[in-house]
Amino acid sequence: DAGVTQSPTHLIKTRGQQVTLRCSPKSGHDTVSWYQQALGQGPQFIFQYYEEEERQRGNFPDRFSGHQFPNYSSELNVNALLLGDSALYLCASILLSASTDTQYFGPGTRLTVL
Amino acid sequence: GQSLEQPSEVTAVEGAIVQINCTYQTSGFYGLSWYQQHDGGAPTFLSYNALDGLEETGRFSSFLSRSDSYGYLLLQELQMKDSASYFCAVSQDSSYKLIFGSGTRLLVRP
Repeated sequence: DAGVTQSPTHLIKTRGQQVTLRCSPKSGHDTVSWYQQALGQGPQFIFQYYEEEERQRGNFPDRFSGHQFPNYSSELNVNALLLGDSALYLCASILLSASTDTQYFGPGTRLTVL
Repeated sequence: GQSLEQPSEVTAVEGAIVQINCTYQTSGFYGLSWYQQHDGGAPTFLSYNALDGLEETGRFSSFLSRSDSYGYLLLQELQMKDSASYFCAVSQDSSYKLIFGSGTRLLVRP
């Protein structure tokens, strides 16, 4: 049973560029949340996708957008990259209907913006 | 605003017991979770409290007092592999959107 997978593991971009990060949830899970974790800080909620719709959104600008596919995998897109976007981007997988409190996090994508 | 406060660092000896406290101020409260994260790794779920009281899972226990907006994680029989960062996180509703604290870095010494 595969856990949550994310790609790529590391990425280096320059200011102004665009980036797409990918997440495959745990088998059978239907909901994906994305978080940004700056160095030495706790993860910050970006948004959550369920049934291919954005269900909730945190306090992030419109430069951050996402998508969920019919197979429940998800993408996070960031446009017009800023130096401050350098962080570890985590996705978390949830089975929303199971009334469980556990979220399963992927290993993350380390984004460096130069 | 929303805030979660936890100590930035704790040091303890192998075999000892350590308690990591978390106080929260959020506009809504549904439950308090605890996650462990090793350097370079993914956060891993440890425990969850929705109601007041103690939840025990092996060497780890978690406590919640909703009236005091306070919880703690108790780690017993500390092992070197417990050296990691520990995060408390509040869920404000049933949507599983988590608000995380800044984390407590636990160093276990021999």
